[in-house]
Amino acid sequence: EVRLVESGGNLVQPGGSLRLSCATSGFTFRDFSMDWVRQAPGKRLEWISHISTGSNTIYYADSVRGRFTISRDNAENSLYLQMNSLRDEDTGVYYCASGFLDNSFNYWGQGTLVTVSS
Amino acid sequence: EIVLTQSPGTLSLSPGERATLSCRASQRVTDNQLAWYQQKSGQAPRLLIYGISKRIAGIPDRFSGSGSGTDFTLSISRLDPEDFAVYYCQQYDNSVWTFGQGTKVEIK
Repeated sequence: EVRLVESGGNLVQPGGSLRLSCATSGFTFRDFSMDWVRQAPGKRLEWISHISTGSNTIYYADSVRGRFTISRDNAENSLYLQMNSLRDEDTGVYYCASGFLDNSFNYWGQGTLVTVSS
Repeated sequence: EIVLTQSPGTLSLSPGERATLSCRASQRVTDNQLAWYQQKSGQAPRLLIYGISKRIAGIPDRFSGSGSGTDFTLSISRLDPEDFAVYYCQQYDNSVWTFGQGTKVEIK
């Protein structure tokens, strides 16, 4: 069974930092590109970052570029998101996701809640 | 960046009725890379359809996707009580993935 389990979400003040983790099992992690997708309360899903299997290709949404850093550890089957300079608008549920079907996402974690507030 | 606009915002239907959800892209979608997801309250999204019309294993055949270019449709032939949820379309182009704003299918 494929499992993706996010952790690290918390309440943080504006300007603060947070590191999210996504532990995976049930599939060959090193063979799959991985992504982070977030969802603000009551809002649409928003893709924020992508990392290729060997970490040599990385993309960011404009809304997080320069503040967030995606990384992965293929030996640990884990994905990470370092979030710096957090803003109120970064509040939401953060999902790790992956897929191999025409750039869609068929594996999702349950999400971890990030709240940015003073 | 390709913007996806879904309509209607809310669809009020009864179980057994047919649902037709629309997704319009601001530019032509590349290489048929258009997918549909279902999301229930408090849950992660679930992929239903990819490549415009390819159903994921285990998804009932009452779900079907169609369209081309900039106009796409998700149809649910006969709504089951478990189908009442929010549905999102998603596309990929030029290193950016985008989602529509969602259509809520609610019980009338």
